[in-house]
Amino acid sequence: DGGITQSPKYLFRKEGQNVTLSCEQNLNHDAMYWYRQDPGQGLRLIYYSQIVNDFQKGDIAEGYSVSREKKESFPLTVTSAQKNPTAFYLCASSIGSGTNYGYTFGSGTRLTVV
Amino acid sequence: KNQVEQSPQSLIILEGKNCTLQCNYTVSPFSNLRWYKQDTGRGPVSLTIMTFSENTKSNGRYTATLDADTKQSSLHITASQLSDSASYICVVIIYGGSQGNLIFGKGTKLSVKP
Repeated sequence: DGGITQSPKYLFRKEGQNVTLSCEQNLNHDAMYWYRQDPGQGLRLIYYSQIVNDFQKGDIAEGYSVSREKKESFPLTVTSAQKNPTAFYLCASSIGSGTNYGYTFGSGTRLTVV
Repeated sequence: KNQVEQSPQSLIILEGKNCTLQCNYTVSPFSNLRWYKQDTGRGPVSLTIMTFSENTKSNGRYTATLDADTKQSSLHITASQLSDSASYICVVIIYGGSQGNLIFGKGTKLSVKP
């Protein structure tokens, strides 16, 4: 079954810690994305990657880092520099061409600072 | 400024009733508009994708309309079911932009009561 897998579903972070959120896809999509969702707000783009070993900052990249060493994987690290990391994080992927990008979202990771 | 505005912010209806959700956008240049359904704690799932030339698109009990002249879209849900309780997100994609150029609305939270 093709899709995007995010793990873990719930994650707790202590102050000053870095944590890494996993995102894996088996859709053979070229592009992958990370979004942050806060209550009452639209999704905001953190980082995106169109090809392996390349990625670009989105609107709210500060305090986050990513890597794209494999086509299937796009992990997101929430660093201690992110002062308000509690949120719902969504990973997505797309085919990457034409007007119908075929966007697919993962099930999300809820990160809470304790 | 590229924006997507959704209304109402929240809506409560009785099971079996119909409802219509609204989306107004000021995105240019326009590529396509999508409606997503997001269950609580889950990732968004695509309902419809509409390009500039499409006025109506249906997916089961969901019917989306698009008026490119007035830059308005609506999502009509017929014979609502309890499982329709979710947030509905309108997303507009910028034409020719990078693959990070999705503009998200804040969503309409729909509650269907028995």
